[in-house]
Amino acid sequence: EVQLVESGGGLVQPGGSLRLSCAASGLSFSTSWMSWVRQAPGKGLEWVANINQDGSEKYYVDSVKGRFTISRDNAKNSLYLQMNSLRDEDTAFYYCAGGDAFDIWGQGTMVTVSS
Amino acid sequence: QSVLTQPPSASGTPGQTVTISCSGSSSNIGNNYVYWYQQLPGTAPKLLIYRNNQRPSGVPDRFSGSKSGTSASLAISGLRSEDEADYYCAGWDDSLSAWVFGGGTELTVL
Repeated sequence: EVQLVESGGGLVQPGGSLRLSCAASGLSFSTSWMSWVRQAPGKGLEWVANINQDGSEKYYVDSVKGRFTISRDNAKNSLYLQMNSLRDEDTAFYYCAGGDAFDIWGQGTMVTVSS
Repeated sequence: QSVLTQPPSASGTPGQTVTISCSGSSSNIGNNYVYWYQQLPGTAPKLLIYRNNQRPSGVPDRFSGSKSGTSASLAISGLRSEDEADYYCAGWDDSLSAWVFGGGTELTVL
């Protein structure tokens, strides 16, 4: 069974940092584009970042450029999102998604930025 | 304000056909594939249509996608109560070098 499991969410103060992880199983991880997509409470989906198979290409939505870093470890079938300088507006459910076009989704992890 | 424009809501009765539109521009829909996602209440999104009109295995043929110029549509025929969900269109935007989503359409089955 193909599965993506996110972890690392939680409550953090504005300006703080958090690192999200996504463990993949049953998926040809090393040959897949991987992405992070977020959803603020009661709002729509927003793509955050994606990374190609070997990590040489990374793209980010403008609002997180310079603050978030996406990375992967193919040996561990894992995807990461390092989030620094967090803002209130980063509060959202963060989903890990695999495939060229978000073919597979995890269940998400909640990030709350609040003082 | 989303780059791709969807109606915020749609509705239909069981058995009917409902169509959800997605409007973009030449830098996204006009030049790239369109994808559709279904998000049932309280769950993660699920890929419904890829590359404009292709269905992943397991998606009923009641769901169909189409694209013309800078617009796309998702049609759901034989509407069922379990189709009540939020539906999102998405695609790559060449000008932004970013994936963009529509604002989502909440489908109600009356």
